[in-house]
Amino acid sequence: DTAVSQTPKYLVTQMGNDKSIKCEQNLGHDTMYWYKQDSKKFLKIMFSYNNKELIINETVPNRFSPKSPDKAHLNLHINSLELGDSAVYFCASSHGRENTEAFFGQGTRLTVV
Amino acid sequence: GENVEQHPSTLSVQEGDSAVIKCTYSDSASNYFPWYKQELGKGPQLIIDIRSNVGEKKDQRIAVTLNKTAKHFSLHITETQPEDSAVYFCAASNHTNAGKSTFGDGTTLTVKP
Repeated sequence: DTAVSQTPKYLVTQMGNDKSIKCEQNLGHDTMYWYKQDSKKFLKIMFSYNNKELIINETVPNRFSPKSPDKAHLNLHINSLELGDSAVYFCASSHGRENTEAFFGQGTRLTVV
Repeated sequence: GENVEQHPSTLSVQEGDSAVIKCTYSDSASNYFPWYKQELGKGPQLIIDIRSNVGEKKDQRIAVTLNKTAKHFSLHITETQPEDSAVYFCAASNHTNAGKSTFGDGTTLTVKP
């Protein structure tokens, strides 16, 4: 199936740990994103990559580091996890840098205990 | 930067009634306005979008209207069904911001059978 897939779907970890979330899209899109959705369902963009180049970096702590090995993959690594990092993280992709529909993955629910 | 406000935050209607969700935006350069539906446990999915050169767009039971002068746009769902129950997000973006969409805070729609 063509889609945006991210793993894992659920992630429970202790404070201070380092974790990664992986994302892959097989839609042939040039642009990929990471969004954070908090407990109130607010959806905020964190990063955006276009052809492996970082083009959007919102005010996100340095503990969050995206990595794009190729334009089909955008992984999110988080160092020294904090309780406030608990949220659902969505990967998304879209065609090009112009205004087009974003396709979202199913989300990764991160719980920091 | 762009600021998108969405109202109401929650909306409850009887099956068969209409539902209207309204959004306002601040950046007059915004020219693309997608609406996403997020079902429980899933990522947001585009249901309809409109560009600034169009005032209204309809797709079966769903319609979106745009008033560029007033900087607001609305989602209209007619003949609501229980499966329309979800969280709905409006968003706004323009071609100069690399496809980054600013999302509204979401509306939780409940359709009572």
